[in-house]
Amino acid sequence: GQNIDQPTEMTATEGAIVQINCTYQTSGFNGLFWYQQHAGEAPTFLSYNVLDGLEEKGRFSSFLSRSKGYSYLLLKELQMKDSASYLCAVRDGRGGGFKTIFGAGTRLFVKA
Amino acid sequence: KAGVTQTPRYLIKTRGQQVTLSCSPISGHRSVSWYQQTPGQGLQFLFEYFSETQRNKGNFPGRFSGRQFSNSRSEMNVSTLELGDSALYLCASSGQETYEQYFGPGTRLTVT
Repeated sequence: GQNIDQPTEMTATEGAIVQINCTYQTSGFNGLFWYQQHAGEAPTFLSYNVLDGLEEKGRFSSFLSRSKGYSYLLLKELQMKDSASYLCAVRDGRGGGFKTIFGAGTRLFVKA
Repeated sequence: KAGVTQTPRYLIKTRGQQVTLSCSPISGHRSVSWYQQTPGQGLQFLFEYFSETQRNKGNFPGRFSGRQFSNSRSEMNVSTLELGDSALYLCASSGQETYEQYFGPGTRLTVT
């Protein structure tokens, strides 16, 4: 089966660094995504990892370890606008198509 | 380039009725995926279409169906609506050369 675990909620201070962890179990792994979703809005793409290692994009970085079934999203220099849900998602490439399974999301609260 | 559009944005239906939701992907994108999002279950994968063919299906009953047209526009249909079908239905498109999914604003369905 497929299973994705991430913390339900996290709180951090403006200007700080926060790391959101995600563990997954899946067959046919074909990449791991992080999406950001503000309340009442659609998810927006943040990052994609298919090989082990760290991908950096501005204030956001994402890490993947396929052998451990583990990823994290690192947000630096937190801003109030970063308060949102962060969704970890795994793509399953079996069957020729792509099936993306999302975790329940981590609600991040950034306080002043 | 126009984003993913979904119609209608809001819908209220009664138990037992059926509903059809529409999604127009970004121009040139041939893959369209549908998701159901509820507070309790998060984002759940419904199905993925590519070039008018369903490539993957999630774990939803047969009341949920979809199709894709030659212009890549997609529709999903839910028959015999139940109260539990109340949710935000999101569609996302992706191109052949890209891995990220672009989400539409969603259709909020309320079943009374």
